[in-house]
Amino acid sequence: QKEVEQDPGPLSVPEGAIVSLNCTYSNSAFQYFMWYRQYSRKGPELLMYTYSSGNKEDGRFTAQVDKSSKYISLFIRDSQPSDSATYLCAMSGDTGFQKLVFGTGTRLLVSP
Amino acid sequence: GAVVSQHPSWVICKSGTSVKIECRSLDFQATTMFWYRQFPKQSLMLMATSNEGSKATYEQGVEKDKFLINHASLTLSTLTVTSAHPEDSSFYICSAKPGTSYNEQFFGPGTRLTVL
Repeated sequence: QKEVEQDPGPLSVPEGAIVSLNCTYSNSAFQYFMWYRQYSRKGPELLMYTYSSGNKEDGRFTAQVDKSSKYISLFIRDSQPSDSATYLCAMSGDTGFQKLVFGTGTRLLVSP
Repeated sequence: GAVVSQHPSWVICKSGTSVKIECRSLDFQATTMFWYRQFPKQSLMLMATSNEGSKATYEQGVEKDKFLINHASLTLSTLTVTSAHPEDSSFYICSAKPGTSYNEQFFGPGTRLTVL
């Protein structure tokens, strides 16, 4: 079993839809949770950075963390064609230096 | 802020040659830099972690003599792929962690390496 599981997609939605992207994980020591967006042939771009459980909102993006279920989500409201990309979740613990563990990424396609 | 650059963005080389890739943090000091490898439609695979002024820590299965990493300053790390072979063709991405951050990483745009 992988430490972080993420559906590779592709997830196809029409413009304006609300998108829900999810990851599950097995390591209860994870405390930091991140979402990255990666366009084709580009490096990942940090979208959201959260610590422990709870919600965080930034513009059209909302990140949720449910540590009891070991489940994290990224919601995108009013999705745009420019949101079409691969979304990677990443996480780490908080004891000493912890490297990031990435999901495989979900490819999102938003059609006009 | 938090911009990381990589150079070159793509490179084609002959089998047996060595290729150097540079990673620079442009507007912050990076105490730690990371090198990843990514195959098509796959996630990032961490190759090594480097701290300024010390030897890099390589992940299991990564040949340190083949992938030489130098982190000479707080803004520059280099990855040299020595005696490259076609199986080394991949997308190499670096990231940098500011000294003020616990584990937030900012990624470069990546370097596509093709070995003929």
